[in-house]
Amino acid sequence: EDQVTQSPEALRLQEGESSSLNCSYTVSGLRGLFWYRQDPGKGPEFLFTLYSAGEEKEKERLKATLTKKESFLHITAPKPEDSATYLCAVQARNTDKLIFGTGTRLQVFP
Amino acid sequence: ETGVTQTPRHLVMGMTNKKSLKCEQHLGHNAMYWYKQSAKKPLELMFVYSLEERVENNSVPSRFSPECPNSSHLFLHLHTLQPEDSALYLCASSQDGGGTDTQYFGPGTRLTVL
Repeated sequence: EDQVTQSPEALRLQEGESSSLNCSYTVSGLRGLFWYRQDPGKGPEFLFTLYSAGEEKEKERLKATLTKKESFLHITAPKPEDSATYLCAVQARNTDKLIFGTGTRLQVFP
Repeated sequence: ETGVTQTPRHLVMGMTNKKSLKCEQHLGHNAMYWYKQSAKKPLELMFVYSLEERVENNSVPSRFSPECPNSSHLFLHLHTLQPEDSALYLCASSQDGGGTDTQYFGPGTRLTVL
């Protein structure tokens, strides 16, 4: 069964304190792995798509990496405006569905 | 308007009411989706439409009835809902509904069933 597990469930960081969020997945052939950011009361906002192991993508303070079993979202020197829930989703080769994890709620304090 | 819009943003309804959620995408996409997001649970895919044809119905109860009159508009008709149906309902769209199309989400409708 295709599955996505995100950890930690919640993360509190001081401004400037770098850290990583984890997304572990099991899927019958990975077509793509997606990262989204969701602010309270809003819909998910697309961040990255990763397609194959070894691939990396960056956007401002965020960097996403992918292995055959997991993806990491690295946050370098975070700011309070980075506070949000970060969602990971995978798409298997035999379906167009996105399978989502439950997310990591990040809080960055000044 | 840009991106994906949803109305209403908040809805409170009784178990015997009938209401509809509306989604409109301004991205020129051909596929549209309905998702349900409940607290502490992953997003659950409900329905997928590609070129106005339903291609996915993820075992959703019949009290939820989707309608896609054209590739820009998607509705979710609600009737005789249960309190456990209270959730954030999200609409999304993508270019074609196949391959690794990125899905772009609307702001959601927060539904409360009394």
